[in-house]
Amino acid sequence: GQNIDQPTEMTATEGAIVQINCTYQTSGFNGLFWYQQHAGEAPTFLSYNVLDGLEEKGRFSSFLSRSKGYSYLLLKELQMKDSASYLCAVIRYGNNRLAFGKGNQVVVIP
Amino acid sequence: EAQVTQNPRYLITVTGKKLTVTCSQNMNHEYMSWYRQDPGLGLRQIYYSMNVEATDKGDVPEGYKVSRKEKRNFPLILESPSPNQTSLYFCASSLGGLAGAYEQYFGPGTRLTVT
Repeated sequence: GQNIDQPTEMTATEGAIVQINCTYQTSGFNGLFWYQQHAGEAPTFLSYNVLDGLEEKGRFSSFLSRSKGYSYLLLKELQMKDSASYLCAVIRYGNNRLAFGKGNQVVVIP
Repeated sequence: EAQVTQNPRYLITVTGKKLTVTCSQNMNHEYMSWYRQDPGLGLRQIYYSMNVEATDKGDVPEGYKVSRKEKRNFPLILESPSPNQTSLYFCASSLGGLAGAYEQYFGPGTRLTVT
């Protein structure tokens, strides 16, 4: 099976930087996804990492360490619209199934 | 516009009354999946399909059925709904392939209440 762990909630100020962590245990690892989900809406894709290192995409960056089973999502220059739940999900070889963590709720305050 | 559509978006029903939630995608994706999302439990996979006529159980399949007769459609069937199936349901699709790891596109969600 797979075990994916994320902290549940954090509050940050507009303009700040926030780091959201995700740890996982799985066999046949084939990558880790980050999704953003606003309340009551569908998850939307943010990033995908399969190799170790940092991937930067505008204000969002995602990091992966396969040896540690660890990833983080870095949100810079926080905006009010970034208030959402951030989900990490691991994919394994063979069937394209995603296993999601429970998500981390980020609340951005003025 | 590339999208995944679900219907209905909201449904209130009674215990035991069979219902179907439809899901359709226009991206020619091979892989489709159903999830349910409950507070504190995150997204959990119900069923998935690697291609037409190829479906398999996810993590929480009890009480649900699916079919994949056409590539674009993947309906979720609740033969005898119960209150513990009250949840927010998402359909998703992606490119398939055994070695691939592809972004999944999600439908807008169906909020189901079973009384």
